[in-house]
Amino acid sequence: SYELTQPPSVSVSPGQTARITCSGDALPKQYAYWYQQKPGQAPVLVIYKDSERPTGIPERFSGSSSGTTVTLTISGVQAEDEADFYCQSADSSGNLVIFGGGTKLTVL
Amino acid sequence: EVQLVESGGGLVQPGGSLRLSCAASGFTFSRSWMHWVRQAPGKGLVWVSRINTDGSTISYADSVKGRFTISRDNAKNTLYLQMNRLRAEDTAVYYCARDKCSSASCYAGGNWFDPWGQGTLVTVSS
Repeated sequence: SYELTQPPSVSVSPGQTARITCSGDALPKQYAYWYQQKPGQAPVLVIYKDSERPTGIPERFSGSSSGTTVTLTISGVQAEDEADFYCQSADSSGNLVIFGGGTKLTVL
Repeated sequence: EVQLVESGGGLVQPGGSLRLSCAASGFTFSRSWMHWVRQAPGKGLVWVSRINTDGSTISYADSVKGRFTISRDNAKNTLYLQMNRLRAEDTAVYYCARDKCSSASCYAGGNWFDPWGQGTLVTVSS
């Protein structure tokens, strides 16, 4: 079955840059999307179509794609950015919606 | 304001049934694909099911196929998930989410979620 692979955890100090990767064989063909989830809350979309940022999402959030890997970058990390982040995409047929296992971002 | 409000969760015994509802407001519900996504306690997000605008195209994750049924009532702006033959591993918070896909991309993997409801907890236990 198709999988999206994320690192379980990423840690950075405030003001530094956090990069969270997501790998999957179908990513060259399918867009990726990123969601932020804080404890006890519903997920919130932070990046769509690999690199587009929804209205209201801070500019420090950006996305990029290269081959079978997409990356969520958070520049100038703030304490409030501490959360779980999930990538989401589809298999090559487009029939299956898939989430990555999630990455816990810790702000030291 | 776009809003999704889930209801219907609770405690149910293994083998039992439950129907979840998701009331939508603030957007044209009948024009949006809709999804259910679940999250077991302390675990990640798992896609469950999707339905297109008129209910003619439906998909399920293998783990729920044959047991869960997604449906919608566009007149009531409401999405449903009928869950039968529930198992302990179905215990999770269930979220409904609006799909932001557009036309042909909806059928080709261009499904993405914004916003999500607040979730409703389903606990399957004896």
